[in-house]
Amino acid sequence: NAGVMQNPRHLVRRRGQEARLRCSPMKGHSHVYWYRQLPEEGLKFMVYLQKENIIDESGMPKERFSAEFPKEGPSILRIQQVVRGDSAAYFCASSTGGADNEQFFGPGTRLTVL
Amino acid sequence: QKEVEQNSGPLSVPEGAIASLNCTYSDRVSQSFFWYRQYSGKSPELIMSIYSNGDKEDGRFTAQLNKASQYVSLLIRDSQPSDSATYLCAVKGSTLTFGKGTMLLVSP
Repeated sequence: NAGVMQNPRHLVRRRGQEARLRCSPMKGHSHVYWYRQLPEEGLKFMVYLQKENIIDESGMPKERFSAEFPKEGPSILRIQQVVRGDSAAYFCASSTGGADNEQFFGPGTRLTVL
Repeated sequence: QKEVEQNSGPLSVPEGAIASLNCTYSDRVSQSFFWYRQYSGKSPELIMSIYSNGDKEDGRFTAQLNKASQYVSLLIRDSQPSDSATYLCAVKGSTLTFGKGTMLLVSP
């Protein structure tokens, strides 16, 4: 499967726990983007990463949220001390980073905070 | 605040008709425009991209862009019930900004 992969597909956490969401970009892509989609809301940009670099994190909440894309392995979106308002679908997209910037989405992780 | 506006719908069309989906955007410097289709509970799927004024056709889909009016549209010809989904307009500035989407319902 050469598409964008995300895991887990569903994640349940209790308030105060940590959530780790993983994303492996499409083969040949080195640019990763994370989005959050709340019920009845549009997709909201969170962060844009290349290998070992955060390019744009203007959409990330200032506290509790962090992201990385290490030299080896998947990109990880980490949410510390989750609250009920963090319940959402989190999508990862990847691109080649070329001028067209076509982004292709993974299946998403549905996070539920109890 | 960069905004992308879409009518939430639902837009209801009969099978075989043309569905017309519209989108306006606020950031004049935007250069790249995309349409995504999202089925309920699924992830967005890229169906069209357009970068210059005019029309771009791909199968039953035609994207239209008018940068002067800050307007982009998607036409779906010969609509099928399987086209029933939410269509997201996305505009590339420094980041990709999405509209909230228009729900399309195609009735058999």
